[in-house]
Amino acid sequence: QVQLEESGGGVVQPGGSLRLSCAASGFNLTNYGIHWVRQAPGRGLEWVTFIRYDGTNRYYAESVKGRFTISRDTSKNTVYLQMNSLRAEDTAVYYCGKGPRITIFGVRIDNWGQGTLVTVSS
Amino acid sequence: QSALTQPASVSGSPGQSITISCTGTNSDVGGYNYVSWYQQHPGKAPKLLIYDVSNRPSGVSSRFSGSKSGNTASLIISGLQAEDEADYHCCSYTSSATLVFGGGTKLTVL
Repeated sequence: QVQLEESGGGVVQPGGSLRLSCAASGFNLTNYGIHWVRQAPGRGLEWVTFIRYDGTNRYYAESVKGRFTISRDTSKNTVYLQMNSLRAEDTAVYYCGKGPRITIFGVRIDNWGQGTLVTVSS
Repeated sequence: QSALTQPASVSGSPGQSITISCTGTNSDVGGYNYVSWYQQHPGKAPKLLIYDVSNRPSGVSSRFSGSKSGNTASLIISGLQAEDEADYHCCSYTSSATLVFGGGTKLTVL
């Protein structure tokens, strides 16, 4: 069955960097786009970024553009989120999620991982 | 892109029906039939309930339904059950090729 497992979260100082991983199983990344969505403590969901099923297009929220980069390794069926210049307001649980099959943009999130906590604090 | 507007909380008794609204703009909810709804229990990951305004994924109860009128989408839950107590999030595709979520609504089953 479809599974997504995030890892790489932790505590980082403001201005620091962190790389999150999203390991996918039960489906092939070459057919599905992947989203990252975050949720600050006690807050709602915030969409962060999306990589298309063919890896050719990546989309970002304005709040992370220029600081975060989404990428993937199809040989490992894994998607990454490189986060640089981290700020206190980036503190959140980060979820990866699978979009629908072979679409230009994933207009929904069919399956979600359990999330990984990122805390930006000195 | 501003978040979609949802009520912070709604409540209902077992067996009743409730509606959660989600208001956006012509650039998101009103411009596309790509509204989705997610259920999230405390400490858990969200789960897809409704996609493309009114479609249910396989395995989701028919007690959950969705609709849209203009810039406002709605999630309707009929025959409320104790297990429906959770947070509900709406989401829409936008003209900027992004997704935007609502602030979330906490449903309390009395």
